[in-house]
Amino acid sequence: AQTVTQSQPEMSVQEAETVTLSCTYDTSENNYYLFWYKQPPSRQMILVIRQEAYKQQNATENRFSVNFQKAAKSFSLKISDSQLGDTAMYFCAFMYLSPSKLTFGKGITLSVRP
Amino acid sequence: NAGVTQTPKFQVLKTGQSMTLQCAQDMNHEYMSWYRQDPGMGLRLIHYSVGAGITDQGEVPNGYNVSRSTTEDFPLRLLSAAPSQTSVYFCASSYSQGRGDPYGYTFGSGTRLTVV
Repeated sequence: AQTVTQSQPEMSVQEAETVTLSCTYDTSENNYYLFWYKQPPSRQMILVIRQEAYKQQNATENRFSVNFQKAAKSFSLKISDSQLGDTAMYFCAFMYLSPSKLTFGKGITLSVRP
Repeated sequence: NAGVTQTPKFQVLKTGQSMTLQCAQDMNHEYMSWYRQDPGMGLRLIHYSVGAGITDQGEVPNGYNVSRSTTEDFPLRLLSAAPSQTSVYFCASSYSQGRGDPYGYTFGSGTRLTVV
């Protein structure tokens, strides 16, 4: 079974600064997908970024980028130029083959200070 | 295009009552799933379906039933509600684009359920 670990329960960052959220996972599979989801106070789950394990290049989406270290089973999210709207809970998630099943970490609460 | 629609958004049940959480999607997605979210636990998979007529258990299936008679609908039934089922419930749908690549994983807005 796959597991996803987010060891930091909370983080805080000053507006306009950069912050990195950590995620590690455990799997014996070689081909899989990794995701970061954002959950603002509205409760909506919003996909931030996804990474295919067979791609060596790290995914980027505007101010969001990942550092994917397959051998170390690490998948951290970097948020550049943090904005107040980035305040939310962030979940790291793993998917193997079946698009029906995501395994989530416990989440991290990120607060962006003005 | 509504995406994934969950009803109701809020519900209070008494212990022992039964109810059905509704989930419908209009994107013709073949895959649908139910998750529950509890503080400090992330989201955990309850049941999932890979197509109409096909369902399977996830990580925390006890106390819940599902069925998938159509592609669009995937209701979650609580047969006899317990306080331990107090949670936020999310339905999600997705499709596969060859090689099992997951695309379009879309979540509903959630149902906050309180069992007293």
